[in-house]
Amino acid sequence: LAKTTQPISMDSYEGQEVNITCSHNNIATNDYITWYQQFPSQGPRFIIQGYKTKVTNEVASLFIPADRKSSTLSLPRVSLSDTAVYYCLVGVNNNAGNMLTFGGGTRLMVKP
Amino acid sequence: SQTIHQWPATLVQPVGSPLSLECTVEGTSNPNLYWYRQAAGRGLQLLFYSVGIGQISSEVPQNLSASRPQDRQFILSSKKLLLSDSGFYLCAWSVRGREAFFGQGTRLTVV
Repeated sequence: LAKTTQPISMDSYEGQEVNITCSHNNIATNDYITWYQQFPSQGPRFIIQGYKTKVTNEVASLFIPADRKSSTLSLPRVSLSDTAVYYCLVGVNNNAGNMLTFGGGTRLMVKP
Repeated sequence: SQTIHQWPATLVQPVGSPLSLECTVEGTSNPNLYWYRQAAGRGLQLLFYSVGIGQISSEVPQNLSASRPQDRQFILSSKKLLLSDSGFYLCAWSVRGREAFFGQGTRLTVV
């Protein structure tokens, strides 16, 4: 499984755009990139998933360069409620038993 | 729609006592099932995963075991709890090629 590297923590202010970058130099051809959000004492929640280029949904955007060795989660105009831990996962979830392995995540603190 | 049930929400158990945490999934068939543990302020540690009934893979050797007696039921057990077993336990499910969905977790305190 491809290993991921993320910043341990980030600070931001309400209304700003936040970009969290994840490095995954050993990403395989079939691997997807998935981001999760976790609030204290809750299970992680899926945010967005992509394979290449750009993916956008109602919550975030995911930018993936052509070499796919990194990805950037972009949160537009964050609010205090976006304070959470964000995890980047790389892999292919198939019935061969691929595991969902989480790294340490990035702790985002949004300040007023 | 699919839902995942995990109970209990909190549990306080003495050292040396047994443990049984149950997780059930509704609304899907043949899901991949996972058990995670999270220590305070730390990331998620994958403990076990299962791709089918009776098929369990362990990621970390420890004082715990898992079983999948039915397609949508995943059980985490211990015969004798240790203090180090304290933590936040999460069950999750997924289907091929899709994201994972997590239960609300069980906060276990071993005293």
